[in-house]
Amino acid sequence: DARVTQTPRHKVTEMGQEVTMRCQPILGHNTVFWYRQTMMQGLELLAYFRNRAPLDDSGMPKDRFSAEMPDATLATLKIQPSEPRDSAVYFCASGLGDNEQFFGPGTRLTVL
Amino acid sequence: DQQVKQNSPSLSVQEGRISILNCDYTNSMFDYFLWYKKYPAEGPTFLISISSIKDKNEDGRFTVFLNKSAKHLSLHIVPSQPGDSAVYFCAASVYNTDKLIFGTGTRLQVFP
Repeated sequence: DARVTQTPRHKVTEMGQEVTMRCQPILGHNTVFWYRQTMMQGLELLAYFRNRAPLDDSGMPKDRFSAEMPDATLATLKIQPSEPRDSAVYFCASGLGDNEQFFGPGTRLTVL
Repeated sequence: DQQVKQNSPSLSVQEGRISILNCDYTNSMFDYFLWYKKYPAEGPTFLISISSIKDKNEDGRFTVFLNKSAKHLSLHIVPSQPGDSAVYFCAASVYNTDKLIFGTGTRLQVFP
């Protein structure tokens, strides 16, 4: 049963703390995306990778967010330092570069 | 600048009747459109898509219509069922590229 997995599913932290979210894409997929869901913006694209190379991170606040793919089975999204306005659900998705993307269940982040 | 807009945040429809969800886009380069469905605490899942060479695509109870001149697409669900209650996201892209641009979503509630 191929699916995208994300950990943790929920994270509560205090302002100023570092947060790391992890994603395991579907085996064989060559594109990985990070999205943030907010009420006002819907699903915002933060960053994406093709064949582990970062292609576009223009949606990400560069001063505090970073995204990496240490290997083909792991993508990470870090926020340091976290702020209350970062509270949202963060989704990872993977695909084969043909438009259809498969989403993970998301990480619900709350920054107090 | 929201390139994909879903102007109705919510829609309530009686079971058995038609649900019509609307989506507008501004970028004339978009030539591939998708609808995703999202249940609470889950990631979005792909529902149906349409290429700009077509004006209609049907899959069971779901039909997507595309009006390129108006830069408008709609998703019709007939007949609506309580299990269709979810948030529906419209997305647009240039065909066979990686990025999807999502709308803000429409929450559909189907009541008995």
